Amino acid sequence: QVQLVQSGAEVKKPGASVKVSCKASGNTFSNYYVHWVRQAPGQGLEWMGVMYPSGVDTNYAQNFQGKVTLSRDTSASTVYMEVSSLRSEDAAVYYCATEVPYTGWFDPWGQGTLVTVSS
Amino acid sequence: QSALTQPASVSGSPGQSITISCTGTSSDVGGHNFVSWYQQHPGKAPKVVIYDVTKRPSGVSNRFSGSKSGNTASLTISGLQAEDEGDYYCCSYGGRSNYVFGTGTKVAVL
Repeated sequence: QVQLVQSGAEVKKPGASVKVSCKASGNTFSNYYVHWVRQAPGQGLEWMGVMYPSGVDTNYAQNFQGKVTLSRDTSASTVYMEVSSLRSEDAAVYYCATEVPYTGWFDPWGQGTLVTVSS
Repeated sequence: QSALTQPASVSGSPGQSITISCTGTSSDVGGHNFVSWYQQHPGKAPKVVIYDVTKRPSGVSNRFSGSKSGNTASLTISGLQAEDEGDYYCCSYGGRSNYVFGTGTKVAVL
């Protein structure tokens, strides 16, 4: 089964962008959907979007369209999630999680990446 | 797409059973069987405990069970144990390749 390791915590200024990585071990992402989920401090989980096995096809939640960009490296071992024009409301823990295609559930999850937005 | 509605908190004594509800619409919970439940302990990543409404992943205790009626899904934890304390989130496929999570429920073991 694939295991996921995310990049470390980031501190960014308002207006900047942040790019979080999610690296697979034990398999590649060419066999999985890769979802991203946001959790603001003290808040619930919010589904952001998904990268499909093609490495090109994506789908974003309406709230994140134009705000978030998903990409993948050519080896299919790392997926990236970039959040642009950071605002204080974007401060959160961001998780990646995999889905075996057409199964509808997320497992496993990465450990999460804390993004702090501060001037 | 609006978050699914869950009670903010549910509590029970050790050994008791508790049920957490997750109410959506015919476009999500009521229209699909891709309903899953996640347990999250403080500072940790979520972990799936139920998928496809009623199924348990390998390694998850059989004290966890799921069901659905109409637009409402439910998670029942029987024989409540201290280790069950944490936050629980439902998640449903919402059509058009979208997913939606519930508002979350904090479970306390008294």
